[in-house]
Amino acid sequence: GDSVTQMEGPVTLSEEAFLTINCTYTATGYPSLFWYVQYPGEGLQLLLKATKADDKGSNKGFEATYRKETTSFHLEKGSVQVSDSAVYFCALSDRRETSGSRLTFGEGTQLTVNP
Amino acid sequence: SQTIHQWPATLVQPVGSPLSLECTVEGTSNPNLYWYRQAAGRGLQLLFYSVGIGQISSEVPQNLSASRPQDRQFILSSKKLLLSDSGFYLCAWSPFSSYNSPLHFGNGTRLTVT
Repeated sequence: GDSVTQMEGPVTLSEEAFLTINCTYTATGYPSLFWYVQYPGEGLQLLLKATKADDKGSNKGFEATYRKETTSFHLEKGSVQVSDSAVYFCALSDRRETSGSRLTFGEGTQLTVNP
Repeated sequence: SQTIHQWPATLVQPVGSPLSLECTVEGTSNPNLYWYRQAAGRGLQLLFYSVGIGQISSEVPQNLSASRPQDRQFILSSKKLLLSDSGFYLCAWSPFSSYNSPLHFGNGTRLTVT
């Protein structure tokens, strides 16, 4: 079945450092890919998405490119802020006809940014 | 605009007690609805999803159940809670029959079974 593997955390960075959180996937067909962010005590918020190969999703300074050849969707940000501290989830869609937008999530990566 | 409401925000229940968590969506019709659970320090596990009133699909065998009595209402229940039911429960919705659409999550319910 479909699966998502994220780099293990926690990740701790200083403010203005470069961020990469790795995500690779296994899927039949051509899934859509997503990054979600979860701030403490809250639900998940969509951060960005890409629906086909070579698409780049971007939002709030974060970027991720859908790489079909390496089955990857790594999240990057050039300069992190303390407010970026959160848990980040990579996810892919399940394209079975009756399943709507069921997503398969990675385990999540905890990011802490220190001032 | 569409909004999703989930309650209660936190809940402490003894082992063996019943459970009822409610989720409602506003501003859209015939959404797909989902219940996920997030155990402490772990990822999200899909528990149930629904593509219409009275239509429930279960992803994992457990002592939880779900119901969809109205188009935009999704309820998660248990007759007798177990310690292992503790976790963060998230309700989500997506547009009907759209596999490219992201999920939109509620703020979650933190359940502690004691």
